Order: sequence, then structure tokens, then C-alpha cells
Amino acid sequence: GAGVSQTPSNKVTEKGKYVELRCDPISGHTALYWYRQSLGQGPEFLIYFQGTGAADDSGLPNDRFFAVRPEGSVSTLKIQRTERGDSAVYLCASSLRTDGNTEAFFGQGTRLTVV
Amino acid sequence: SQKIEQNSEALNIQEGKTATLTCNYTNYSPAYLQWYRQDPGRGPVFLLLIRENEKEKRKERLKVTFDTTLKQSLFHITASQPADSATYLCALRPDTGGFKTIFGAGTRLFVKA
Repeated sequence: GAGVSQTPSNKVTEKGKYVELRCDPISGHTALYWYRQSLGQGPEFLIYFQGTGAADDSGLPNDRFFAVRPEGSVSTLKIQRTERGDSAVYLCASSLRTDGNTEAFFGQGTRLTVV
Repeated sequence: SQKIEQNSEALNIQEGKTATLTCNYTNYSPAYLQWYRQDPGRGPVFLLLIRENEKEKRKERLKVTFDTTLKQSLFHITASQPADSATYLCALRPDTGGFKTIFGAGTRLFVKA
């Protein structure tokens, strides 16, 4: 596609439920990032993929959060036993190179609301 | 502690004037710094990247400076237009290894016609 696509655009779930958020990066982009953004804050790094492998998952807040990118393209962020504090906009970004010293393209985000 | 700070107060300026936004960081030694624009309900859009050995970078009406001694970057929009109204985020990659990019909270800019 022309840009980074994230689905769904909005997700409302009940506390304790499991959710999956999907990211379709720009075709050919090797690097993929997940961020979380709360109102009035900048994006907060969660995890970085270099191809299929998670090269840096130091931003994942706890073991309820997990992400995969099995074929090196589409990525899924998975959140188990959701809590109200998980409510935020989850952003995905991709870039052509993995050295980080290049432009990252962001999707429009998935707004997750845990009620 | 490590911090990246942007002015949390919104900046209101008149159309045609130059907008200047500030990004200060503490206890980082970034190899480069980036500026992004974010509109409500949208993801950030990359604007400019400036490396530690560059003092200034320009792109059309945009100019970024990077002072590694002051640990500060300034972002300028000249001849500002109402369409420039948005939140502007600065971001850096720490030199501690890893791949995380650290973002500031952003500064909201309003340009009045």
C-alpha cells in the first residue's frame, strides 16, 4: 500500500479481555516500530523489529504485551488481560533501513479503550 | 535522569511571523535528532533530521539547529501559515545502544490568520 496501515482504527474492549492490533508496513520496509501515545504525551517506544526478529523489546511494559512479525512484513501487537491503564493510541511505524538514521513513516494509529 | 523537554504551553503566532519551538534534552548524547509534525487523530509525520555534526538544516520554510553543548535544538517555521497549526514533536535516538527513539511531549502551534 501507499502508507502504513493499522487496523482497527478504534477498539473498545472490556477489562481482562485479549486484544490484537495489526500493522501493515510500507512494502519493502525492513524496520518496524510499535509506540504507545497517551493524550498530551509524545509516542512511547514499545518494540522494534528488524525483519522477523524483535531486535529491541525494552519498551514493552510487562509480560501482558507481546508482538510478532512472522514473515517480516505484517506485525501484530497482542495485549492479554487488558487493564484500563492500557487505554491509549497504539502507533506503528516503518522505515526502509534498520540503522535508525532514516525517516520513519507512521500509521494513523489504533485507539484502544479499555472499559 | 534522562529527559527530553519541549515547551508544554501552546505557541500562538500571527500568520507571516516566524515560529520558534525549543527542544532540550538532559543526560543524552544523541547522534541525531528528528522533528515530526502531528495533527489531531493522525500519526506523526517526519519533517527533518539533523546530525550531531550539523549545526543547521533547512527544508523549504523549515530550519532546525542543533547545539550539542547547550543540549538544545530549535525548530523554526518562517512565513508561518494557518496550515502550519499542529503539534511538533522532537525525537532522539540515545547513544546507549538499542533501537528506541525517545519523543518529547510536543508543542502545540496555532497560527492565526
